[in-house]
Amino acid sequence: NAGVTQTPKFQVLKTGQSMTLQCAQDMNHNSMYWYRQDPGMGLRLIYYSASEGTTDKGEVPNGYNVSRLNKREFSLRLESAAPSQTSVYFCASSLLGTGFPNEQFFGPGTRLTVL
Amino acid sequence: GIQVEQSPPDLILQEGANSTLRCNFSDSVNNLQWFHQNPWGQLINLFYIPSGTKQNGRLSATTVATERYSLLYISSSQTTDSGVYFCAVEGGSGTYKYIFGTGTRLKVLA
Repeated sequence: NAGVTQTPKFQVLKTGQSMTLQCAQDMNHNSMYWYRQDPGMGLRLIYYSASEGTTDKGEVPNGYNVSRLNKREFSLRLESAAPSQTSVYFCASSLLGTGFPNEQFFGPGTRLTVL
Repeated sequence: GIQVEQSPPDLILQEGANSTLRCNFSDSVNNLQWFHQNPWGQLINLFYIPSGTKQNGRLSATTVATERYSLLYISSSQTTDSGVYFCAVEGGSGTYKYIFGTGTRLKVLA
C-alpha cells in the first residue's frame, strides 16, 4: 500500500496563477483532509471531507476550493495564488465512521512557493 | 475553539538522555494523536491515544483526558529522534477537526 500520496512535491507559482494539488489514498478511508503548515508552526486545517460527497471548511478556507472526486481522491485548488499561500500543504485521511477512530495518516506534503 | 499548548517549545538532549513532552488542551477531546515530523518534513504517527497509556519501544504516551493533558516520554534518546513533535486533538462530538499544537522541537546530540 502506498498510503497517502500527493502531487506535485514542489511547485512555484506567480501571483494570480491557479493550480490544483492532488491527493489520493489507497487505505479505503472515508474521510480526507487538507492542511497547511507555515514555518515554525503546527498544521492548520483548510478543508475536510468527512465522507464521499461532502466537504466542509476548516480553520483557514479562504482562497481555496476542494473537490472530493471519489472515495480515493481529494483535490485542493488555488484559483488565484497569493504570496500568503506560500506554505507546505499536507493531505491526510482517516477511517472515520461508526465504531472507527479518527486516526489520521498524512501524505508527504507539497511545498508551494508563490512569487 | 480548543487551544492546544505544548511544552517545552525547544529541547536539546545528549544521546541516551530521557525526556518528557507535554500537551495541554483547553476543553474535552474525543481524540488525540502524537506525531513526529522528521527533518525531511514527513509526519509520522506515533500514538493514537485519546485516553490511557501506550508504549512502543522507547516511546510511551499517557493521556489524562479528565485533567486535559497528554505526555510523551522518550527514553534513551537517539539522534534519529530529532525533529518536531506535535500533539493534535479533535474536539467535541462530530467536529472531525484536529487542532495542532505548535510543537516541541527536539535536537539530540551525538
